[in-house]
Amino acid sequence: GAGVSQTPSNKVTEKGKYVELRCDPISGHTALYWYRQSLGQGPEFLIYFQGTGAADDSGLPNDRFFAVRPEGSVSTLKIQRTERGDSAVYLCASSRDRPENTGELFFGEGSRLTVL
Amino acid sequence: AQSVTQLGSHVSVSEGALVLLRCNYSSSVPPYLFWHVQYPNQGLQLLLKYTSAATLVKGINGFEAEFKKSETSFHLTKPSAHMSDAVEYFCALAGTASKLTFGTGTRLQVTL
Repeated sequence: GAGVSQTPSNKVTEKGKYVELRCDPISGHTALYWYRQSLGQGPEFLIYFQGTGAADDSGLPNDRFFAVRPEGSVSTLKIQRTERGDSAVYLCASSRDRPENTGELFFGEGSRLTVL
Repeated sequence: AQSVTQLGSHVSVSEGALVLLRCNYSSSVPPYLFWHVQYPNQGLQLLLKYTSAATLVKGINGFEAEFKKSETSFHLTKPSAHMSDAVEYFCALAGTASKLTFGTGTRLQVTL
């Protein structure tokens, strides 16, 4: 597609449930990022993939969060045993190159997760 | 560690007035700096970026920003505000790591 696609756009779940959020990056972009944006805050880094491997997962808050990118394209963010504090907009971005190499990040519209 | 501070979570200006959104950064290496804009219920779009080529950077929609190393600042300006500028703006930094660190955002209000 022309841009970064994220599904679902909205997800409402109950506390303790398992959730998967999907990101389809721009074709040819090797770098893929997940960010989390809570209400009234800026995006917070979660994880960065270069190709299939997680180059930096230092932003994942705990072991309930996990992300994969098995074929170097589509990525899935997985959240186990969801908590109310996980409620946020999860943003995915892709880039042809790294930010420090002035690679521009292209963001999807986000997946809004609400944990009841 | 790298960080970004945006002064003022809300800024209000009159239509036609100067827009000034403040951003200060902290980085142990020469930074690359970005301003993004976020429209309601949408992802972030790049407004402009500083990559050390020139300290005054021009972006889309008449916005520009000036990198001042001595002040560790990268403030965003626009000479004349328009109603359509009333959205949220995020300053971001790429420093030591292959990721962007964002500020907390500034929501711009434009009044008649």
